[in-house]
Amino acid sequence: DIQLTQSPPFLSASLGDGVTITCRASHNINSYLAWFQHKPGKSPKLLIYAASSLESGVPSRFSGSGSGTEFTLTINSLQPEDFATYYCQQLDTSPFTFGGGTKVEI
Amino acid sequence: QVQLIESGGGVVHPGADLRLSCAVSGLTFSSFGMQWVRQAPGKGLEWVAFIHYDSSKKYYADSVKGRFTVSRDNSRNMLYLQMNSLRPDDMGVYYCAKGGLYLDVWGKGTTVTVSS
Repeated sequence: DIQLTQSPPFLSASLGDGVTITCRASHNINSYLAWFQHKPGKSPKLLIYAASSLESGVPSRFSGSGSGTEFTLTINSLQPEDFATYYCQQLDTSPFTFGGGTKVEI
Repeated sequence: QVQLIESGGGVVHPGADLRLSCAVSGLTFSSFGMQWVRQAPGKGLEWVAFIHYDSSKKYYADSVKGRFTVSRDNSRNMLYLQMNSLRPDDMGVYYCAKGGLYLDVWGKGTTVTVSS
């Protein structure tokens, strides 16, 4: 199975900060990677698909990059609504595993 | 608009069976693959199962393989997850999500509690 390792698991930041979350895959997953935002009591929300494509309706301060085994999610200028947990998911090979998550908090 | 509504969750004893349903509206259900994802209390997201748009392919997480079965009824716009021999570590919120690849629409989830 393909393992996804997210870092850091926790990230403390302030409003207006820029942050970067990393997702490393144990095997080459090409660009079959998605990023989700998840808030307590809510459904996960797709932010980025195909490693770097911005989902419709998602603010442009979110961006994704990478291919192969190393990927990043960058959030420019954190807004109050961005404090949440972020997950990567690989869709290259079943099982379609998620990373362990990165909680972004104040 | 597109809606996914899960149902069927509840409180069961270890070893029991439960069937989750996901009612889909607002899209051509038969054109899309679907997936189930769960979140145990205090834990991260865990992918559970995938079903192709025409049920020709089904994939499962190792943790549920042999116990869970995903199915769909395209004539009723319904997705199902039959869960047998439930264990305490199956407890959590179960989400259905639309996507043969990327999961762009999610339901609100249904909660499964496994406790003696």
